[in-house]
Amino acid sequence: NAGVTQTPKFRVLKTGQSMTLLCAQDMNHEYMYWYRQDPGMGLRLIHYSVGEGTTAKGEVPDGYNVSRLKKQNFLLGLESAAPSQTSVYFCASSYSWGNYGYTFGSGTRLTVV
Amino acid sequence: GENVEQHPSTLSVQEGDSAVIKCTYSDSASNYFPWYKQELGKGPQLIIDIRSNVGEKKDQRIAVTLNKTAKHFSLHITETQPEDSAVYFCAASISKYIFGTGTRLKVLA
Repeated sequence: NAGVTQTPKFRVLKTGQSMTLLCAQDMNHEYMYWYRQDPGMGLRLIHYSVGEGTTAKGEVPDGYNVSRLKKQNFLLGLESAAPSQTSVYFCASSYSWGNYGYTFGSGTRLTVV
Repeated sequence: GENVEQHPSTLSVQEGDSAVIKCTYSDSASNYFPWYKQELGKGPQLIIDIRSNVGEKKDQRIAVTLNKTAKHFSLHITETQPEDSAVYFCAASISKYIFGTGTRLKVLA
């Protein structure tokens, strides 16, 4: 089925470790997004991309890096994980900018101990 | 800055009753208002949306209304069923989305 696939689904990291979250979409969408979801705070935008080879900062970008080397993939990296980065991370993609629905992945639950 | 307030944060209704969730946005230039449903352990899923040139939109048991003057929009679910139990998010958008903080809806059988 067409959609957004995130890997891994769960991960436990020790403070200071690094990891990369993978997001892949097969809908040929130009726009891709990384959000984090924390209790009581809704969905907050980390980084986004408006096309292959482009990235931009969102609302809470500190401690994260991203890359969009291929149109279908959007990678989120944590260089040195901190307990404050314990969260559920969602990737999304959309056909258009701002006035179109997003398709979300099923999320990655990350715990940093 | 841009802000979307969503109320209530939790809502319990009896099966068959109606549920209403309200959102207020701050940026009058916002022109797109989607609603997402998030079931436990899953990502948000678009259930209905409305654009600023429309006052109301309906899809079976779900409807959304928009009042541009007051800068608020609402989700209405009629004849609620247990499978409607989920967290619902509103958003307002010019370019990037601004999400509300979510409403946990419980439909009691």
